[in-house]
Amino acid sequence: DTAVSQTPKYLVTQMGNDKSIKCEQNLGHDTMYWYKQDSKKFLKIMFSYNNKELIINETVPNRFSPKSPDKAHLNLHINSLELGDSAVYFCASSQVGGKPEAFFGQGTRLTVV
Amino acid sequence: TQLLEQSPQFLSIQEGENLTVYCNSSSVFSSLQWYRQEPGEGPVLLVTVVTGGEVKKLKRLTFQFGDARKDSSLHITAAQPGDTGLYLCAGNSGGSNYKLTFGKGTLLTVNP
Repeated sequence: DTAVSQTPKYLVTQMGNDKSIKCEQNLGHDTMYWYKQDSKKFLKIMFSYNNKELIINETVPNRFSPKSPDKAHLNLHINSLELGDSAVYFCASSQVGGKPEAFFGQGTRLTVV
Repeated sequence: TQLLEQSPQFLSIQEGENLTVYCNSSSVFSSLQWYRQEPGEGPVLLVTVVTGGEVKKLKRLTFQFGDARKDSSLHITAAQPGDTGLYLCAGNSGGSNYKLTFGKGTLLTVNP
């Protein structure tokens, strides 16, 4: 059983398109995150949701819209994709009030051409 | 903004050598974690340190949290090719959002 699973693993698309990445966790955690890892391997938080509510939005362009239908799912929709959006996007989850450790998905490598 | 500086950024060593990776900040963290990331995978937690001065061992890996909870180190003894990967430190400032601030990572290559 994969604890945090995200799909797709690879995504190649043209500039201007709209795409979505899905994430699900079966750990029973109440908090989920989206991180972006750039070509230099720097991991930067984009969003954090706790019990379906947005907690952190790190000045991400509004072309990025996360949606949490329930606390086990956090999807990321990106409108009007740009070349600079190319990166690896990681979903993660943790339990607030428990150990402050994040469990990560395998990542989605997004390439915008 | 809390920042974590990791050094060195790159490290290439021979099998059997020892190494230390550093993670430093001017901010105090309630806890600090070390992750290892392999190509094509997400980061995987190695250890969490919480108490200033704490030392934790995981086989050949030794983790230390600074007394002031602003810095940490990871020491690997007798490195093996299987230790190759990106090592990331991440600090947690506490509170209710558990936001993790990551360092930029140390890319370790252990050559056989």
